[in-house]
Amino acid sequence: DTAVSQTPKYLVTQMGNDKSIKCEQNLGHDTMYWYKQDSKKFLKIMFSYNNKELIINETVPNRFSPKSPDKAHLNLHINSLELGDSAVYFCASSHGDGNSPLHFGNGTRLTVT
Amino acid sequence: AQSVAQPEDQVNVAEGNPLTVKCTYSVSGNPYLFWYVQYPNRGLQFLLKYITGDNLVKGSYGFEAEFNKSQTSFHLKKPSALVSDSALYFCAVRDGGNTPLVFGKGTRLSVIA
Repeated sequence: DTAVSQTPKYLVTQMGNDKSIKCEQNLGHDTMYWYKQDSKKFLKIMFSYNNKELIINETVPNRFSPKSPDKAHLNLHINSLELGDSAVYFCASSHGDGNSPLHFGNGTRLTVT
Repeated sequence: AQSVAQPEDQVNVAEGNPLTVKCTYSVSGNPYLFWYVQYPNRGLQFLLKYITGDNLVKGSYGFEAEFNKSQTSFHLKKPSALVSDSALYFCAVRDGGNTPLVFGKGTRLSVIA
């Protein structure tokens, strides 16, 4: 009954590869997000989708491409992985009214070697 | 653009003593303020929020925070700390409705028995 679930939990891959992270929420929220947490624990928003439409894209390289097949899913595809992409990626969801708190998944730890 | 500062990287407190984790913010409009907690290898969990109304807001696990408009602060407090409160705490701000939620760099709270 996990509210926001991400898969995989850990992802180890080599430079140049392409990988995807999946996210699903069962809270009935209409807005979903991807955040990146670096090694110093700093959290930065990457993307935000509302009702399957992109509403925020924060200076993220175009190697990162989010895809939202429906309101409950927001997947993240990363092409040509680089060492600097190593981080923990968090998916989150909320109602889109600005007042509502975000509900986070448990993160995907990506290690690029 | 909105921003949030958490001036302390680390706060140490003895169990049973009161704790304060500091947060100041900068917005051009009305601030929507949030506190989250992160335990190891987990996603962020919502603690409390201030949108409007009473300046003192109460949240989960006995935490509270006071909104101070003149000092642009939203410090997190708890009257009596528990060892289990040891975690990473994030303050976050949104500048009104649909702007991105921006997080501070986090403050690590250590409660010593």
